[in-house]
Order: sequence, then C-alpha cells, then structure tokens
Amino acid sequence: EAQVTQNPRYLITVTGKKLTVTCSQNMNHEYMSWYRQDPGLGLRQIYYSMNVEVTDKGDVPEGYKVSRKEKRNFPLILESPSPNQTSLYFCASSLAPVAEDYEQYFGPGTRLTVT
Amino acid sequence: DAKTTQPNSMESNEEEPVHLPCNHSTISGTDYIHWYRQLPSQGPEYVIHGLTSNVNNRMASLAIAEDRKSSTLILHRATLRDAAVYYCILRDLHYQLIWGAGTKLIIKP
Repeated sequence: EAQVTQNPRYLITVTGKKLTVTCSQNMNHEYMSWYRQDPGLGLRQIYYSMNVEVTDKGDVPEGYKVSRKEKRNFPLILESPSPNQTSLYFCASSLAPVAEDYEQYFGPGTRLTVT
Repeated sequence: DAKTTQPNSMESNEEEPVHLPCNHSTISGTDYIHWYRQLPSQGPEYVIHGLTSNVNNRMASLAIAEDRKSSTLILHRATLRDAAVYYCILRDLHYQLIWGAGTKLIIKP
C-alpha cells in the first residue's frame, strides 16, 4: 500500500531535549516536505527536499533541521525543542515538486507537546 | 504570493450537492488551483486540481471561472464522511502550496 509513515504519532518532551521525528514513503517520490499545523493558522511549511541531499527552507524553518540521505526518508530534527514548537506535524511527499500535476501524499501526523 | 479566500464554514444536508467557493483574484496565468481536504484527526488528502477547464474525478468536480479569479469545488452527493476542512490552494513562485484556513464543511444527517 502506497503510504507516508511518521513516527512517533504522539510525543511529550521537555524543553531542550533533542528529538527526531521520522518520515518514510514507499512511493519512490522525489519531493518530500514537513509542515506544522496550528489552530487558526493552517499548514505552514518548515522544510522541503527536492531530492536526495537537496533540502531548502520553507516558511517557518527556525528551530528545525532536516536531512535527506536516502530517497525514502526525511527526518525532522529538533535540536533544542521549545514550548512554541508544540504543534501537529505532517510529512508529505509527491512524485515531483508540486508545481502542476503532482498531488501530495500526507502522513498521519505527529502531535508534539514540549513542556 | 497568490492567496485564496474561502468561507470559514458551510453546512449541507446529507445526500445533497455541496458547492464550496474559493476566490483567488491574484492568480497568475500558470498557477494551478488545488483542492485538498482534511478529515478529523487525519492528514490532508488530495481532492482535485485544475488550470482552466472544469475537471471531474471520482471524488468531486472543479468548476473554474472563465477569468480564473474564482473556482468552486462540487461534491455531487455529500455523505457524512465528507465532513472535513476543505482547502483551496494555489502554488507560489517557488512551487510550494500556500495553505489558508480552509472551509469547515458540516454535513447534517
């Protein structure tokens, strides 16, 4: 089954404790991205990756890191989480950059709480 | 960046058609109009997209105004499972989708 998986689905952590949220897709997609969703703000893009070893900042990259060493995986790293990073996070992938005809497939989401 | 405007919420009766409007007056000639929806406690899912002509798929239809400054997503026969937030989205200069707050669709049995 074609899908985007994220782990963990729920995470409660404390300020400053490094964490990684994993994202994996099995569709051989080139493009992957991370979003955060906060009430009333819709989805905002954090980082995206056009292909292996190619990443770029989205709209709200501060406090986040990413890497793309393999085509299928795109982990999101919070080196020193803070309470304002409490949010719902989604990973997405598509066959190519979403310029025209390519739909994005989203993971189920990771709800992160930083205390 | 091209932006979209949608009503905050809409209500419809089950098994009736639903027309979800979207205004995008600053759309450029090469921008595709994308629609996604987000069911409760799930990630967004693709619904439909188009450029100039009306589009149909198994989920919905997309009607695009002749001047492309507005569009309407049509659910031909809404069910309770269609209750979701529907997002009308355009692409920005960097090929990224710009998400707004969407329209919360409430389906009444």
